[in-house]
Amino acid sequence: LAKTTQPISMDSYEGQEVNITCSHNNIATNDYITWYQQFPSQGPRFIIQGYKTKVTNEVASLFIPADRKSSTLSLPRVSLSDTAVYYCLVPYSSASKIIFGSGTRLSIRP
Amino acid sequence: NAGVTQTPKFQVLKTGQSMTLQCAQDMNHEYMSWYRQDPGMGLRLIHYSVGAGITDQGEVPNGYNVSRSTTEDFPLRLLSAAPSQTSVYFCASGRGPDTGELFFGEGSRLTVL
Repeated sequence: LAKTTQPISMDSYEGQEVNITCSHNNIATNDYITWYQQFPSQGPRFIIQGYKTKVTNEVASLFIPADRKSSTLSLPRVSLSDTAVYYCLVPYSSASKIIFGSGTRLSIRP
Repeated sequence: NAGVTQTPKFQVLKTGQSMTLQCAQDMNHEYMSWYRQDPGMGLRLIHYSVGAGITDQGEVPNGYNVSRSTTEDFPLRLLSAAPSQTSVYFCASGRGPDTGELFFGEGSRLTVL
């Protein structure tokens, strides 16, 4: 599992765009970058995955530069309901298990 | 559309008691895993399984046993509960760990007195 580094916590305000960056310097050629979201008192849920450039869905966008050593999860116009912990994972393409880090605790204020 | 079902949702045990947390999935996933999450912390992998009859240890396996006799079920057994095992336990399943995509249950909140 490629080691990832992301901020422990972030604060923002409703209506702002929030960008959470994750570093994964030793990512391998076949590895994908995966993000999860965990609301209080709930299990994590998969929100987005990408390999390169940009991926967008109804929840977020994921930006991956050409060297793939980092990635940025972008949440447009956040609301109070986006308050959650966001985990960045890079499972090995030959991985036998999935390990989570500590994630980024995002707090949105009115 | 059940997905991953965990029971019980809440449990209080006394030190030394044993119990089993149940996990079942109806998505025909080969990969299943158990995590624990202490207050304000991330998830730590306890045990995982890549298919029926195959289990392996994660990051924090001590004090827990698992078995995988069917594709659908992956119970977690606490052998002799200790206060340090007070936590929220999450079961997850997926097509395979290399996909990175897991589906989680709602969690089982365990308190050991």
